[in-house]
Amino acid sequence: AQSVTQPDIHITVSEGASLELRCNYSYGATPYLFWYVQSPGQGLQLLLKYFSGDTLVQGIKGFEAEFKRSQSSFNLRKPSVHWSDAAEYFCAVGARGGGADGLTFGKGTHLIIQP
Amino acid sequence: DTGVSQDPRHKITKRGQNVTFRCDPISEHNRLYWYRQTLGQGPEFLTYFQNEAQLEKSRLLSDRFSAERPKGSFSTLEIQRTEQGDSAMYLCASRLPNGGQNEQFFGPGTRLTVL
Repeated sequence: AQSVTQPDIHITVSEGASLELRCNYSYGATPYLFWYVQSPGQGLQLLLKYFSGDTLVQGIKGFEAEFKRSQSSFNLRKPSVHWSDAAEYFCAVGARGGGADGLTFGKGTHLIIQP
Repeated sequence: DTGVSQDPRHKITKRGQNVTFRCDPISEHNRLYWYRQTLGQGPEFLTYFQNEAQLEKSRLLSDRFSAERPKGSFSTLEIQRTEQGDSAMYLCASRLPNGGQNEQFFGPGTRLTVL
């Protein structure tokens, strides 16, 4: 069964500083990989996704993520954070080729932005 | 229509009561998913539909949980004889067919509190 680990429960970053949120997955092959953001009172919004091709994926709001097969990782990065980036971030994997079609999420990383 | 809608947004009930939640997916999306999210955790996949067919229900948490999508449009999730442990956010998502790389669009969720 697939699983996702987000090792950092909370991360505090100063506004304007760079950001990296870690995500490690367990899956028998290359999965579909997603990063979602959840703000208070809001639904989950997709930031970016990887399913094949270029391992560096660009997303919305200036975010990017890099798929590293050798490390089973899909870390999210942003060069300069804004106060509006404060939110909960979830990494998720989806299975290829049928079977249960739901996403498996990590526990999330709560991002705090310091002024 | 711009997104997935869920109703109600909040539900408070007493232990032992039955509750039903509704999800209206994006109109051209034939796949619909239900997730549960408890405090401090990522969403947990429960079940999904392709049109009116429920293709996965082994992940439903107990036989007190059931879901329907009778006409392949909106869906309902029912919890019978609610328990305090059922208190959580219940999320609905939908997506286009043809491949797990298609993004799941999430609704704002229904927050259930069982007293």
